Amino acid sequence: EVHLLESGGGLVQPGGSLRLSCAASGFTFSNYAMGWVRQAPEKGLEWVSSISGSGGDTFYVDSVKGRFTISRDNSKNMLHLQINSLRAEDTAIYYCAKDYARYCSSTSCALYGLDVWGQGTTVTVSS
Amino acid sequence: DIQMTQSPSSLSASVGDRVTITCRASQSINNYLSWYQQKPGKAPKLLIYAASSFQSGVPSRYSAIGSGTDFTLTISSLQPEDFATYYCQQSYSTITFGQGTRLEIK
Repeated sequence: EVHLLESGGGLVQPGGSLRLSCAASGFTFSNYAMGWVRQAPEKGLEWVSSISGSGGDTFYVDSVKGRFTISRDNSKNMLHLQINSLRAEDTAIYYCAKDYARYCSSTSCALYGLDVWGQGTTVTVSS
Repeated sequence: DIQMTQSPSSLSASVGDRVTITCRASQSINNYLSWYQQKPGKAPKLLIYAASSFQSGVPSRYSAIGSGTDFTLTISSLQPEDFATYYCQQSYSTITFGQGTRLEIK
C-alpha cells in the first residue's frame, strides 16, 4: 500500500526554523516527483514546493522562495522541507504529496495531479 | 502567475441533485487541470486529472470537461458522501489551486 507520513511540525516563534519530513513507502520513490501543499486554518489549499524524482529540479511558490528548501533522499525514501525565517502566515497544515506522473515539465510538476497525500503535519508560528 | 477562479464559492444542494462547479484559468493551461475533493479534517483526494480523466475508484456520477481556460466538474446525482469541498488545480506553470467550492447539504 502506498503511504506517506509527515513529521517535524510544531510551535515555533517568528523568525524560527523547522525541518519537515515525509517518509514514503509502497512505491518506487525515486521514480516520482513529490511536493508539499499547505492549508492555513479554515483556508484553501496552497501549493508550496515540488521536486523531481532525481531531485535535480525544484519549484517554489513565490512567497517561500529564499526561505524554504525542498530536498529528498532517494536512498531512504524521504522527502524534506527546510523552512526558515518563519512568519505568522506560514501557520498551516503541511501535506506531503506524490505526483501521479513520473516526470515534471520544465515549468511544473504535478502534471496529472497529486494522487497520494499524507495526513499532514501542523506548523504554528506564534510568539 | 496563473490564477484559478472557481465558482460558486459555496453551494447548497440536496441528495439527488445535479451540480456543476466551474474553474476558470487566467490564461490557457491546455488540459493541465486536476480536481480534488476534501472532507473536513482529511487530506485532499484526487478525483480527476488531465481535465477529464478519472482517478481509479471515482464514481461514474462524476464528469469533467474543459480545455484552455474553462473547466467544469459535474456531479449528476448527489450522494451523501459527495458533500465536501472541491478544488481545481492547474499545473501548466508551477501549481495553483482554486479557492475551493464548499458543497453543503440543503
